[in-house]
Amino acid sequence: DVKVTQSSRYLVKRTGEKVFLECVQDMDHENMFWYRQDPGLGLRLIYFSYDVKMKEKGDIPEGYSVSREKKERFSLILESASTNQTSMYLCASSSQGFGETQYFGPGTRLLVL
Amino acid sequence: GNSVTQMEGPVTLSEEAFLTINCTYTATGYPSLFWYVQYPGEGLQLLLKATKADDKGSNKGFEATYRKETTSFHLEKGSVQVSDSAVYFCALRAGTSYGKLTFGQGTILTVHP
Repeated sequence: DVKVTQSSRYLVKRTGEKVFLECVQDMDHENMFWYRQDPGLGLRLIYFSYDVKMKEKGDIPEGYSVSREKKERFSLILESASTNQTSMYLCASSSQGFGETQYFGPGTRLLVL
Repeated sequence: GNSVTQMEGPVTLSEEAFLTINCTYTATGYPSLFWYVQYPGEGLQLLLKATKADDKGSNKGFEATYRKETTSFHLEKGSVQVSDSAVYFCALRAGTSYGKLTFGQGTILTVHP
């Protein structure tokens, strides 16, 4: 079974803190993604990566950065957390190819106070 | 740009009722279409998919047909169960992307005994 794991299920941080969310997949997938999920807005893509050290902005990259030093690991960084970044963060991975399924992790619920 | 519109929720049904969740899309090219399901406290799981026009995806009693002429991918189930209570997301993957998914806003389904 494909497994995508995220480092924390719940996090509470203070405004201005630097926050790291980590994601690891075990299926040798080329593509990895970070989304945030908010009620009524569905999932919105923050960043994605199609190879090691490669990254592309998604629809809402402001206030975030990413790092992919190894193929299996994709980190999302909040440089200076703000209250409007309180959300559910979901990581996903997939193979390349048309129609390939994205596999999701369980999510990290982040609260910024 | 690409977009997905789902019917507004929440949807509340009695067990064994018929379910339809409408999904329409706007996309360039010929996208792949997906339905994902999110059970309480979990990440997203692929429910079904279709990669070309007139394809029918099916899984766990759920079905959806890729209708290019109406740009739709409506989700149906003939007889819902309490265990189907979840959030359902329609999504598309455009062929020119690196596997990026565009999601609808999600539809909350609650099934009562």
